Amino acid sequence: DQQVKQNSPSLSVQEGRISILNCDYTNSMFDYFLWYKKYPAEGPTFLISISSIKDKNEDGRFTVFLNKSAKHLSLHIVPSQPGDSAVYFCAASGDSGNTPLVFGKGTRLSVIA
Amino acid sequence: DVKVTQSSRYLVKRTGEKVFLECVQDMDHENMFWYRQDPGLGLRLIYFSYDVKMKEKGDIPEGYSVSREKKERFSLILESASTNQTSMYLCASSLFGGGIQHFGDGTRLSIL
Repeated sequence: DQQVKQNSPSLSVQEGRISILNCDYTNSMFDYFLWYKKYPAEGPTFLISISSIKDKNEDGRFTVFLNKSAKHLSLHIVPSQPGDSAVYFCAASGDSGNTPLVFGKGTRLSVIA
Repeated sequence: DVKVTQSSRYLVKRTGEKVFLECVQDMDHENMFWYRQDPGLGLRLIYFSYDVKMKEKGDIPEGYSVSREKKERFSLILESASTNQTSMYLCASSLFGGGIQHFGDGTRLSIL
């Protein structure tokens, strides 16, 4: 059973507009959430994270929002740029020990010029 | 900067061969991971290790084994390669299990 779900396999957005990528989770023990970005033929790179004690974290054009009651998080990219076209993975963690991150299946974002 | 290096970017092997994929990290991280990425299936965890000589099965360990003799090196072994193991293989490391993972560039493995 998937504990981290990204229900949209793909998303297309016009350059300059906002991209919103969504992620849902089922495990209420998760308390740390991350977003990764992956280009073809490269490994995923860490983008931004948020702890469950916060509901928003911002880093430049990227903002992650966390709604604990809905078990939902989203990544906002404003403004979107063609270089943002990539696969985005949501991941979650429940402890700081040895349990690995749980990843979603990814959303492919295409930013159209 | 954390550096995770995978020995090959592209590899072609034949069915039945024993295949070794090597991964080295330079940040003294305790934890190391092997994933495969397939279209529509995301990142699937094969094995991970939280200490030297320790290993834990991930979600899809069948047909694979691992070795961690030194802290910086984590090897993935395909005991007898099959065509359904054609995939992109990604290695990662992290300071602790649930923390930020740093990935290598991946090995695109084709089994013919």
